[in-house]
Amino acid sequence: QSALTQPPSASGSPGQSVTISCTGTSSDVGGYNYVSWYQQHPGKAPKLMIYEVNKRPSGVPDRFSGSKSGNTASLTVSGLQAEDEADYYCSSYAGSTPLLFGGGTKLTVL
Amino acid sequence: QVQLVQSGSELKKPGASVKVSCKASGYSFTSYAMNWVRQAPGQGLEWMAWIDTNTGKPTYAQGFTGRFVFSLDTSVSTVYLQISSLQAEDTAVYYCARVSPGAVADYWGQGTLVTVSS
Repeated sequence: QSALTQPPSASGSPGQSVTISCTGTSSDVGGYNYVSWYQQHPGKAPKLMIYEVNKRPSGVPDRFSGSKSGNTASLTVSGLQAEDEADYYCSSYAGSTPLLFGGGTKLTVL
Repeated sequence: QVQLVQSGSELKKPGASVKVSCKASGYSFTSYAMNWVRQAPGQGLEWMAWIDTNTGKPTYAQGFTGRFVFSLDTSVSTVYLQISSLQAEDTAVYYCARVSPGAVADYWGQGTLVTVSS
């Protein structure tokens, strides 16, 4: 399968909201409610932020939310804070590929 | 608490082999699959394989067969990634990640940097 499609960059000012999209196909994003989002700061391991489209693990601020429509999933970060500046990756279950990742989006807090 | 602790950075010459380990603790090792993910310098995440910790059977992504071997030792709750005939293109950070039902990589190792250079 091909990687999921994410915009390479996104930005917003502190306090604003930003949405990152993740587009796949009916064989991955559109076919299962198994979309996750990961945050990665430079030099660090990825951290799970959203799973099963819109669920937040314990400890993840409710400023982070997820949604899906058709073959496109989205991550919204509300009330942007400086520490939200990081790379964000979506992933989807895709049958024989349990973790099909997007190319990543670099989120800049202006 | 759940922890995945990987072995340290490696510097290898082209043609050599490397074995990276990932030791799990804080949960029942055989209750979750373990996955390996590669991140080349400045690049994104790429799924390599998952290993059934009950049977030891790995399932490989395309492009990670042949030179890549995934194994485990349940007696020490550890999974391994071995890469042979190393090439410069293998230079990357390799992560192990526990995957829960729903394809959720909920815990990650700290990553192991493998550098291949003459």
